Amino acid sequence: KQEVTQIPAALSVPEGENLVLNCSFTDSAIYNLQWFRQDPGKGLTSLLLIQSSQREQTSGRLNASLDKSSGRSTLYIAASQPGDSATYLCAVTNSGNTPLVFGKGTRLSVIA
Amino acid sequence: DAGVTQSPTHLIKTRGQQVTLRCSPKSGHDTVSWYQQALGQGPQFIFQYYEEEERQRGNFPDRFSGHQFPNYSSELNVNALLLGDSALYLCASSLGQGKETQYFGPGTRLLVL
Repeated sequence: KQEVTQIPAALSVPEGENLVLNCSFTDSAIYNLQWFRQDPGKGLTSLLLIQSSQREQTSGRLNASLDKSSGRSTLYIAASQPGDSATYLCAVTNSGNTPLVFGKGTRLSVIA
Repeated sequence: DAGVTQSPTHLIKTRGQQVTLRCSPKSGHDTVSWYQQALGQGPQFIFQYYEEEERQRGNFPDRFSGHQFPNYSSELNVNALLLGDSALYLCASSLGQGKETQYFGPGTRLLVL
C-alpha cells in the first residue's frame, strides 16, 4: 500500500529565504507525482506535475525534483514571500489508473 | 473556461441525516474523483466515476455513494451521517481516468452536529 510522508509538518521562515519541502513515498512504482498548494479552507491548486520519467519540473520560483529510486521528491521555493504562506501537499499515483495518494502536507508560514 | 465547480460551499447537517454534494468538472474532462479531507489531514480518495460508472473505490463504507450524469457532472451522497463525516469534500476532474493532471474544485465544507 502506497504511503506518502511529508516533512516537516510545519515551517516558518522570514521573507526572502529559500526553502525546501520534502516528500517521501514507500512504493517507487509511481506514474507521476504532483505538488499542490492549499489555502486555509480552500481547494487544491496544482503547482507542478512530474512524470515518472522526469527528474524535475520548474515553474517560476518553484522547482520540484523527483528521485524515484529512493522514493523522494523535494519542492524548492526561491525567495519566499508572505503570499507563499499555505499548506503544500504532495501526491502520487501508482502505475495505471490508481487515484492520488496524498501526504498530510507541510504548513508554511512566511513572515514579513 | 470555467474550472471545477462544487455546490454547496458549506453545509450543516445533524447525525443520521442524508446529504448530496454536487460537482461540475472542468470543460472537456470526463472523469470525476471525490476526496474527503479531515482537518489537518491530506485528502483521502472516496471513489472515481468515468463513463457514468464507479470505476474505483477507496476504503469508505457503503453509506457513501455517487452518480455521474451524461454531461459528466457528479453527485456524492452520504447516508446516515456520523460526526466523523465532518470534513472538506473535494471533487477533482481529469481526462482519461486520472492519468493526467487532476484539477480540484473549491470543496464543500460539511459539518455534522
